[in-house]
Order: sequence, then structure tokens, then C-alpha cells
Amino acid sequence: KAGVTQTPRYLIKTRGQQVTLSCSPISGHRSVSWYQQTPGQGLQFLFEYFSETQRNKGNFPGRFSGRQFSNSRSEMNVSTLELGDSALYLCASSAGLRTDTQYFGPGTRLTVL
Amino acid sequence: EDQVTQSPEALRLQEGESSSLNCSYTVSGLRGLFWYRQDPGKGPEFLFTLYSAGEEKEKERLKATLTKKESFLHITAPKPEDSATYLCAVPNPIGNQFYFGTGTSLTVIP
Repeated sequence: KAGVTQTPRYLIKTRGQQVTLSCSPISGHRSVSWYQQTPGQGLQFLFEYFSETQRNKGNFPGRFSGRQFSNSRSEMNVSTLELGDSALYLCASSAGLRTDTQYFGPGTRLTVL
Repeated sequence: EDQVTQSPEALRLQEGESSSLNCSYTVSGLRGLFWYRQDPGKGPEFLFTLYSAGEEKEKERLKATLTKKESFLHITAPKPEDSATYLCAVPNPIGNQFYFGTGTSLTVIP
């Protein structure tokens, strides 16, 4: 069974630009969660989608948004990039129950210059 | 506020020197405690889930245990390839969100 895939793996952007990251979950999984990982803050929860609906949201500004498609693939968008948005963005998929194991993708490394 | 705390932040071991990593949590109504391993620049890799106090799980040189307020990841006779950051996480009782600790960075020296 294929794992979670994320594209692109690396991105370099400049301040003020916007970026879209993509995540394809494990086949059959309906929940996709997004996390931001930085050396100082660890893994911070961004949001979670289940069956195309945002089910939970973390404490991030509105510049961070996401969506999920009918095939469970998910995208995350960050508008008006700031230097502090440089991080590893991780996507995790699970079957959908609150306590199901989350399986992570390799991440997208975003650098904002 | 619900929290997950891991200690130590960093640990250096000689190859073969056994030790334990700690994960303490304050979330109420625990619905599982998850351990992950993360290599630099990669996504976390799932290791174990523990659901109730007294439960233990093993995988190669790793053994995870759970009490009512904390979990331990015991590493027996570690090898250099065990070097990684080990993360623990617990689900938010009211939402589909995992709280992660900041991890223990383990270095095993040959």
C-alpha cells in the first residue's frame, strides 16, 4: 500500500508570495491533517479535513487555509508569505476516527526569503 | 491546558548503553498515546500506540510502556541506526487533533 505523498518536496518563495502544497493520503483514508514543524515550536497543528469538510482548526492566522477534494487529496495554501512561515509542512492521513493512527508524509520544506 | 512534555531534550548514548525516554501528559480522558520516530528532514514514522495503563509494546530494541500520567520508551542496547528524534503524541479528547511533544533527540555513538 502506497504511503502518504506530498508535493513539492522543496519550495523557495519570497515574502508576500503565496504557495500551495499538496497531499495525497493513504488509499482508503478519509482524514488529512496538516502540521507545521519548526525547530523552536515542534509540530503545530494547522487543520484537519474529513470528507471534504474542515473538522478541526489550530491557532494559525487566516493566511493559512486548506481544502480537501472528493478523492481525499488535500491542499494547503499560505498567502502573503512571511519569513516566519519557513518550516517543514507535514501532512498526515488516518482512517478518520479521533484516535486512529496518523501516518505522515515526507513533508514539504518551505523556505521564505 | 492539555500538554505533552518529553524529556530529556537530547540524549547521547554509547552503542549498547540502554536508557529510557520519558513522555508525560496532562490531557484528560486519554484515548491513546502514540510514539513516532523522525529522521532529519523526514516525516515522523509511526512506532507504537498504547491505550491503557500497564500496556507494553515492543519492536526490536524499543519497548514502550504506559502509566496513568506518563509513557516511557526504553531503548535496549542501542545501535547508531537508532539515532533519531523520538516524538510522542496524544489525541485531543474533543477534536481530531494530536498534541505532540517537542521530542527527544537521540544520538548513539559507535
